[in-house]
Amino acid sequence: DTGVSQNPRHKITKRGQNVTFRCDPISEHNRLYWYRQTLGQGPEFLTYFQNEAQLEKSRLLSDRFSAERPKGSFSTLEIQRTEQGDSAMYLCASSLAVLYGYTFGSGTRLTVV
Amino acid sequence: DQQVKQNSPSLSVQEGRISILNCDYTNSMFDYFLWYKKYPAEGPTFLISISSIKDKNEDGRFTVFLNKSAKHLSLHIVPSQPGDSAVYFCAASYSGSARQLTFGSGTQLTVLP
Repeated sequence: DTGVSQNPRHKITKRGQNVTFRCDPISEHNRLYWYRQTLGQGPEFLTYFQNEAQLEKSRLLSDRFSAERPKGSFSTLEIQRTEQGDSAMYLCASSLAVLYGYTFGSGTRLTVV
Repeated sequence: DQQVKQNSPSLSVQEGRISILNCDYTNSMFDYFLWYKKYPAEGPTFLISISSIKDKNEDGRFTVFLNKSAKHLSLHIVPSQPGDSAVYFCAASYSGSARQLTFGSGTQLTVLP
């Protein structure tokens, strides 16, 4: 297991289209997080799963955003009706224990044109 | 409102000297602090952390200091090496938050050979 894997690495889409990103966490990690990072800012929390349960969602996660983690393994983040303001790096992270730094994936860079 | 602030967007240091990166926070509920390093086109990599019950944690060339009364933490890198050139993010969490991280906006460290 080589770490947290995110696909695709880059996605360019037209405004109004739907996009879906995938995250494969480290296999033994039961906690999975999604963050969003825009230029010049630190990552911002979007949502958190413990196993298959989505336990927290940020107010940043509008109705157009939905995340799933079926069977507590990989996770998907879908954005419907994309807007230019959705352009950002979407980062996935996983962890096993509460009090350790997570392992981040390399992210999916979304550009909405 | 920015609960975690890194007021220096950039820092340049000569190779072999000490690098000091600073971070301030406003939320007194934060009880765990982390530093991440990020290279371009990669996700953040966990570097070092400190619990609020300590005031110092050391790991090789990296030391984090926590001053709870001032709500301030700093990362010291001694000696600095050119490979340390990256963006450094300070992050904080508290136990009631499912350990979601609140990040600062980052400091670009450049170590000059």
